[in-house]
Amino acid sequence: GENVEQHPSTLSVQEGDSAVIKCTYSDSASNYFPWYKQELGKRPQLIIDIRSNVGEKKDQRIAVTLNKTAKHFSLHITETQPEDSAVYFCAASMKNTGFQKLVFGTGTRLLVSP
Amino acid sequence: NAGVTQTPKFQVLKTGQSMTLQCAQDMNHEYMSWYRQDPGMGLRLIHYSVGAGITDQGEVPNGYNVSRSTTEDFPLRLLSAAPSQTSVYFCASSRLSTNFMYEQYFGPGTRLTVT
Repeated sequence: GENVEQHPSTLSVQEGDSAVIKCTYSDSASNYFPWYKQELGKRPQLIIDIRSNVGEKKDQRIAVTLNKTAKHFSLHITETQPEDSAVYFCAASMKNTGFQKLVFGTGTRLLVSP
Repeated sequence: NAGVTQTPKFQVLKTGQSMTLQCAQDMNHEYMSWYRQDPGMGLRLIHYSVGAGITDQGEVPNGYNVSRSTTEDFPLRLLSAAPSQTSVYFCASSRLSTNFMYEQYFGPGTRLTVT
């Protein structure tokens, strides 16, 4: 089955710096890669996603890149702000009988210091 | 819309007790699923449903049962609670997004402790 590894487990940056979180996946059939943000004590919320036929996707200060050959994808956050502090999870999935079984990475705790 | 709701928010059980975690969604989503979240392990899929009357196992199904009698509700039953089931449980429902993939919406979670 699919296995997703995520690095680093913690990341500390200064406000205004960029942050990059990396994930690798094992199943070449995976075709959907979402990123979730989870604030302390809250539910995970989708912040950006990418399909396997797209190499990069941007939404304001966040972007995701995908390298299918190397089977890795990354989340890039530019001009970080204190409110970006949270745990970020990557996931990979393959559509199976219509349902998207997500396999999650173990999370990255991002701390943005003012 | 309330979105995805879960009850209770917190629960303490003794080993061997049974209970049901409730999940409901009012978005008419076809797919629903249950995850557990443990420290350092991300979220893991327990069971999922592709429609009323249809359920299937996820990554970690042992010790849990589900049923889906209506589109709105997807309860998770713990048959005989064990300390290893201490976790935060999230229910999610899915809809087809504009990129033809299923975007999952999570409920607020239930924090379960088994002593």
